[in-house]
Amino acid sequence: NAGVTQTPKFQVLKTGQSMTLQCAQDMNHEYMSWYRQDPGMGLRLIHYSVGAGITDQGEVPNGYNVSRSTTEDFPLRLLSAAPSQTSVYFCASSSSGGAGRTNIQYFGAGTRLSVL
Amino acid sequence: AQSVSQHNHHVILSEAASLELGCNYSYGGTVNLFWYVQYPGQHLQLLLKYFSGDPLVKGIKGFEAEFIKSKFSFNLRKPSVQWSDTAEYFCAVKNSGGYQKVTFGTGTKLQVIP
Repeated sequence: NAGVTQTPKFQVLKTGQSMTLQCAQDMNHEYMSWYRQDPGMGLRLIHYSVGAGITDQGEVPNGYNVSRSTTEDFPLRLLSAAPSQTSVYFCASSSSGGAGRTNIQYFGAGTRLSVL
Repeated sequence: AQSVSQHNHHVILSEAASLELGCNYSYGGTVNLFWYVQYPGQHLQLLLKYFSGDPLVKGIKGFEAEFIKSKFSFNLRKPSVQWSDTAEYFCAVKNSGGYQKVTFGTGTKLQVIP
């Protein structure tokens, strides 16, 4: 059971470069989210999606884009990387909670990103 | 807006000591409450959750938490910690129903000394 899969695990970028962090889930979850984790700040929501074709901003969306063309995939794009985006990024998915399913979030293993 | 406060940023205990990590949230409606654990170098894993019913919730690895609605608290407890409990613990809250943003506390790092 793969759960939530994130790639890559580690990435180093130069300021101004772009890249895409991949996230895929095989649990048929409707909801998917991207968080960044910084020391002393917990997890902060970047973007989220409640279903294919539907995305919305979280609390720290600037500098990031997302799309949700399929239920399984929710990539996060950094358009022009900045040192302030050095962080650990986690993708999470959860069901909508209908039909007896609980809406617990399941997290991927994370992507550690450094922007020089 | 909802918020979560974890009072202790860093806790150091000896093995077999009892643990209580504080968590308070601010939101007036119906909430779902969670504790997640993050072992060094790993992703977050659900420790326990409260949705409704018995306010004393038992989770994995001997952890439990008590929801006290009047105090807006959801403290995590374990009677006797082990070295393997060394990790960072996050309290989280979301409004119940539908997709509601999960708000995380800033985390408590627990270090258990053998």
